[in-house]
Amino acid sequence: GAGVSQSPSNKVTEKGKDVELRCDPISGHTALYWYRQRLGQGLEFLIYFQGNSAPDKSGLPSDRFSAERTGESVSTLTIQRTQQEDSAVYLCASSLAPSGVRRDTQYFGPGTRLTVL
Amino acid sequence: GQNIDQPTEMTATEGAIVQINCTYQTSGFNGLFWYQQHAGEAPTFLSYNVLDGLEEKGRFSSFLSRSKGYSYLLLKELQMKDSASYLCAVRDLVQAGTALIFGKGTTLSVSS
Repeated sequence: GAGVSQSPSNKVTEKGKDVELRCDPISGHTALYWYRQRLGQGLEFLIYFQGNSAPDKSGLPSDRFSAERTGESVSTLTIQRTQQEDSAVYLCASSLAPSGVRRDTQYFGPGTRLTVL
Repeated sequence: GQNIDQPTEMTATEGAIVQINCTYQTSGFNGLFWYQQHAGEAPTFLSYNVLDGLEEKGRFSSFLSRSKGYSYLLLKELQMKDSASYLCAVRDLVQAGTALIFGKGTTLSVSS
């Protein structure tokens, strides 16, 4: 695709429900990242995929959060038993190669705004 | 981004020049990025520095001093559309591996 796309753009859910957020990276990008942006805060790293594997899950805030990637393309971030503190914008980014290998820019999607009531 | 500091807000007028500073502390520095984020939109890439010095790209320039842990983004000939949040992000291979560590962003307001 022309850019990173995410769906849904907005999600309102009740506390305790599960939600699934989707990210479609730029075609050919092997690296995919999930970040969270709470109101008034900086972007917070959640998880990184190289291909379909996740070598770095260090940012996931709890075991209620999980993510997977298939076909070296689409990724889904699942939040189980949502809590009010999960309310944030969830941003996905992709890059040609994993950061640190060479200069590589992460391109961001528009984000999913999650509101937990 | 507890290790990245940048001013919370700045104001400027159309046509002016503004400099947004960013200081950072890293264990394994591997590059510094500046992103622009308009309200409700995705961050968009502006610049990348990994070596000391100035990188110029049109109206925007970015400077890096690795020994001082310091960078700035310089915006010239300001336009109203430059009103946005500017995010400083660092790649630290030791502290964060492959991910970027972001500051909280500087909200720039440009007035006529």
